[in-house]
Amino acid sequence: GEKVEQHESTLSVREGDSAVINCTYTDTASSYFPWYKQEAGKSLHFVIDIRSNVDRKQSQRLIVLLDKKAKRFSLHITATQPEDSAIYFCAASRTSSGQKLVFGQGTILKVYL
Amino acid sequence: GGIITQTPKFLIGQEGQKLTLKCQQNFNHDTMYWYRQDSGKGLRLIYYSITENDLQKGDLSEGYDASREKKSSFSLTVTSAQKNEMAVFLCASRRLGGDEQYFGPGTRLTVL
Repeated sequence: GEKVEQHESTLSVREGDSAVINCTYTDTASSYFPWYKQEAGKSLHFVIDIRSNVDRKQSQRLIVLLDKKAKRFSLHITATQPEDSAIYFCAASRTSSGQKLVFGQGTILKVYL
Repeated sequence: GGIITQTPKFLIGQEGQKLTLKCQQNFNHDTMYWYRQDSGKGLRLIYYSITENDLQKGDLSEGYDASREKKSSFSLTVTSAQKNEMAVFLCASRRLGGDEQYFGPGTRLTVL
């Protein structure tokens, strides 16, 4: 079955710098790739997603890139702020409706002053 | 807006005990999910339900049962609690045709 690997277990960046979290997946039929954020002591919430018909999507300071050939996708957070500190999870699904997501292991992002 | 409620927030059981976790949502969403979150391992899908009375197994369904008695509620039963399954159990829901999953606050399970 599908496996999603998140390459960075921990990432520390200075406030104002960019952070990049990388994920790879194994199932070539995967077509939907969301990202979720988990702040300390809280549950997950959706932040951004990308579908396989595009290779880039931006929402304010968040950019997602998708390289289908390499089966790789990444989350770029620009101009980081302390409130960006959290655990970020990437996920992949075969259907664009996100019916059955396979999650990566999570990346702890720490933004320091 | 809506909310997902999970009860109890903390659950302590004995090894071998049958334990039930409950989830309620008032989004009127069709699909509901149960995930297990282990430290450093991300989320793994245990069961999901596309609609009332539907059940679909996830990758981690062995040792668990689920029940979707009505649209708003989804229960998960640990059939025989084991010490190696201490984790946080997360419930989520999603509307038909939507992509985003909405997560509850979780139930932390401890097995003595």
